[in-house]
Amino acid sequence: SQKIEQNSEALNIQEGKTATLTCNYTNYSPAYLQWYRQDPGRGPVFLLLIRENEKEKRKERLKVTFDTTLKQSLFHITASQPADSATYLCALDRGSTLGRLYFGRGTQLTVWP
Amino acid sequence: NAGVTQTPKFQVLKTGQSMTLQCAQDMNHNSMYWYRQDPGMGLRLIYYSASEGTTDKGEVPNGYNVSRLNKREFSLRLESAAPSQTSVYFCASLDGAADTQYFGPGTRLTVL
Repeated sequence: SQKIEQNSEALNIQEGKTATLTCNYTNYSPAYLQWYRQDPGRGPVFLLLIRENEKEKRKERLKVTFDTTLKQSLFHITASQPADSATYLCALDRGSTLGRLYFGRGTQLTVWP
Repeated sequence: NAGVTQTPKFQVLKTGQSMTLQCAQDMNHNSMYWYRQDPGMGLRLIYYSASEGTTDKGEVPNGYNVSRLNKREFSLRLESAAPSQTSVYFCASLDGAADTQYFGPGTRLTVL
């Protein structure tokens, strides 16, 4: 079965620094990988998608990389702010047209002033 | 444009009771999904519906049934609730053009 690991349950960083979250997967090569943000008591919200033939994707202060050799994705938040504090979920799709996603457990990010 | 809505927000059941969780989306998406989220675990797919009239099992379908009532609505039914079904349940729909899922706010279910 697909196994997805996010590097740590919690990450604490100071405001202004770059947060780097890691997602590793085994067994299958995903067609694409997604990152979601989840706030307490709310549903996940889509942030970024990167496909297997892409190395890097950016959106404002967010950057995601995808290394299919290492079977790893890195998610970066530059110039982090306390408002970035949330749980970040990694999810992958194996390429069917059905949109089935496999999620990691998430990393809880806290940005302190 | 409400996106994905779920009812109820909270529910407490006794073991053996039944209930239906409702989900609706107004984005004209074909595919819809039901997930459960437990502490320390990732979201796990219960059932999904690739299009109106079709449903398929996900990773953890035991103890659940679903109905795709029409394109907008996808319900999840617990016929005989068990404490192991205590969880937060999320419904989602898929924007197929962008390969992006939109999630509802969740239903927090406790089975005593």
